[in-house]
Amino acid sequence: SQTIHQWPATLVQPVGSPLSLECTVEGTSNPNLYWYRQAAGRGLQLLFYSVGIGQISSEVPQNLSASRPQDRQFILSSKKLLLSDSGFYLCAWSVLASTDTQYFGPGTRLTVL
Amino acid sequence: AQSVTQLDSHVSVSEGTPVLLRCNYSSSYSPSLFWYVQHPNKGLQLLLKYTSAATLVKGINGFEAEFKKSETSFHLTKPSAHMSDAAEYFCVVSDYKLSFGAGTTVTVRA
Repeated sequence: SQTIHQWPATLVQPVGSPLSLECTVEGTSNPNLYWYRQAAGRGLQLLFYSVGIGQISSEVPQNLSASRPQDRQFILSSKKLLLSDSGFYLCAWSVLASTDTQYFGPGTRLTVL
Repeated sequence: AQSVTQLDSHVSVSEGTPVLLRCNYSSSYSPSLFWYVQHPNKGLQLLLKYTSAATLVKGINGFEAEFKKSETSFHLTKPSAHMSDAAEYFCVVSDYKLSFGAGTTVTVRA
């Protein structure tokens, strides 16, 4: 069966510090991968998606970037965090296109102080 | 363009009573529709999915949803609420990409 992992589970970072969140998927090959952000009182916002190694599409221009160095690894990064980057970050995967069922990881709670 | 509207931001029910979460959508095509549940500080879990087969879709944990094309609705129901159903629920529509509703928070009173 397929599983998706995210770490860390929680993170508190000062403004201006770098960020690296990691997501890995097990039990499937060549998944589509997604990063979402869920800010307090707001819905899910798609940040990035990837259909293959090194292929990243950005949905919203912002202070974040994503990379996919391996087939089942997806990394969300920032060089300098802003207060507005606080939120709950969710990674997801799907087998087929972005319209397919997506399966979500447990999330990372990021607080920027 | 596609969009999804969850008509209630918050629903409160007593344990053992029915739950109804309302969702309307708009789409240029024949969309796929999903309901997800999110417990506090957890990821989203798929409850059920509609993909143009039967209009009444049964999901996990006793939930079901009915697709009504004429009303462009995909309401989620459960006959008898349990305390563990307290969570946030998201209706999602998909034609060229997934679009999430704003969510409905369900509280269950003992």
